Amino acid sequence: GENVEQHPSTLSVQEGDSAVIKCTYSDSASNYFPWYKQELGKRPQLIIDIRSNVGEKKDQRIAVTLNKTAKHFSLHITETQPEDSAVYFCAASSGGSNYKLTFGKGTLLTVNP
Amino acid sequence: EAQVTQNPRYLITVTGKKLTVTCSQNMNHEYMSWYRQDPGLGLRQIYYSMNVEVTDKGDVPEGYKVSRKEKRNFPLILESPSPNQTSLYFCASRPPGKPTTGELFFGEGSRLTVL
Repeated sequence: GENVEQHPSTLSVQEGDSAVIKCTYSDSASNYFPWYKQELGKRPQLIIDIRSNVGEKKDQRIAVTLNKTAKHFSLHITETQPEDSAVYFCAASSGGSNYKLTFGKGTLLTVNP
Repeated sequence: EAQVTQNPRYLITVTGKKLTVTCSQNMNHEYMSWYRQDPGLGLRQIYYSMNVEVTDKGDVPEGYKVSRKEKRNFPLILESPSPNQTSLYFCASRPPGKPTTGELFFGEGSRLTVL
């Protein structure tokens, strides 16, 4: 089955700096890659996703890049703010009839004011 | 308001005492799933359901049961809870569409402690 590795497990940055979280996946059939943000004590929520026919997607201060050849994808957050502090999960799915979504172990991002 | 509702939100129980965590969604979603979240292990799928009366195992199904008798409800049953089932549980649902259309809508979570 699919295996998703996520690094780093913790990341601390100063407000205004950029943050990058990287994930690798094992199943070459995976074609959908979402990122979820989980604030302390809250539920995970989708912040951005990318499909395999696209190499990069941007939404304001966040962007995701995908390298299908190397089987890795990354989340980039620019101009970080304290409210970006949260746990971020990457995930991968090969679609299919059962929509199997495999999550990485998460990255705790702390943005220091 | 579109939402996924879980109950109870918090529960402390003892080993062997059967319990059910309920999950209900009001978005007419066909796909529903249960995850458990443990420190350092991320979100792991327990069971999922593609539709009424259609359920299947996820990655960590041992010790759990589910049922899907109505589209809106997907309860998680722990027949004989053990301490290693102490965890934060999330129910999630997904709108219909192409298989790769993806946003999962999560409930608020149920924190379960088994003594």
